[in-house]
Amino acid sequence: KAGVTQTPRYLIKTRGQQVTLSCSPISGHRSVSWYQQTPGQGLQFLFEYFSETQRNKGNFPGRFSGRQFSNSRSEMNVSTLELGDSALYLCASSPGQHPETQYFGPGTRLLVL
Amino acid sequence: DQQVKQNSPSLSVQEGRISILNCDYTNSMFDYFLWYKKYPAEGPTFLISISSIKDKNEDGRFTVFLNKSAKHLSLHIVPSQPGDSAVYFCAASARGSGGSNYKLTFGKGTLLTVNP
Repeated sequence: KAGVTQTPRYLIKTRGQQVTLSCSPISGHRSVSWYQQTPGQGLQFLFEYFSETQRNKGNFPGRFSGRQFSNSRSEMNVSTLELGDSALYLCASSPGQHPETQYFGPGTRLLVL
Repeated sequence: DQQVKQNSPSLSVQEGRISILNCDYTNSMFDYFLWYKKYPAEGPTFLISISSIKDKNEDGRFTVFLNKSAKHLSLHIVPSQPGDSAVYFCAASARGSGGSNYKLTFGKGTLLTVNP
């Protein structure tokens, strides 16, 4: 089975712009979660989607949003980018029932200038 | 409030010896625990997991121990190899309603260096 794929792998944006990141889960997985990794805060949960519905959301401002499509692919969007949004954004997929293992993609490295 | 803590930022061991990575948690609702290995600029790779109904799980060179009364888990790697050098993250998920069981809470990680 192919693993989780994320596009693009690297991205450079300027403050105030918006960005959309994409994630394709492992075939058959219906849950997609997003995490942000920064040196200071570590890995922090953004949100989780299952069957096109957001089931859980972390403590991030409303500038961070996401969605999931009927084929389980997911996108996350960050509007009005700030310098502090520079991070590695990770997507993880799982079948969708607790307890279970989440499998991560390679991440998208976002740099905001 | 950090619910999952890895108090050792780094650990150095000799090749062939045992590596022991530790993790403490505070949330008594956590019932599933995982260890991931991560290289820079890559996504975490799943290593091993354990359910709260067990106190030990083994997979090859990797063993995870869970002490529920102490809210402590550890990952043992025996024997350690230079290729094991990476950052290791402990993560936990909780039972419950309202979506709380659909996310992983991570520790800050421990950098393991295995010297040849």
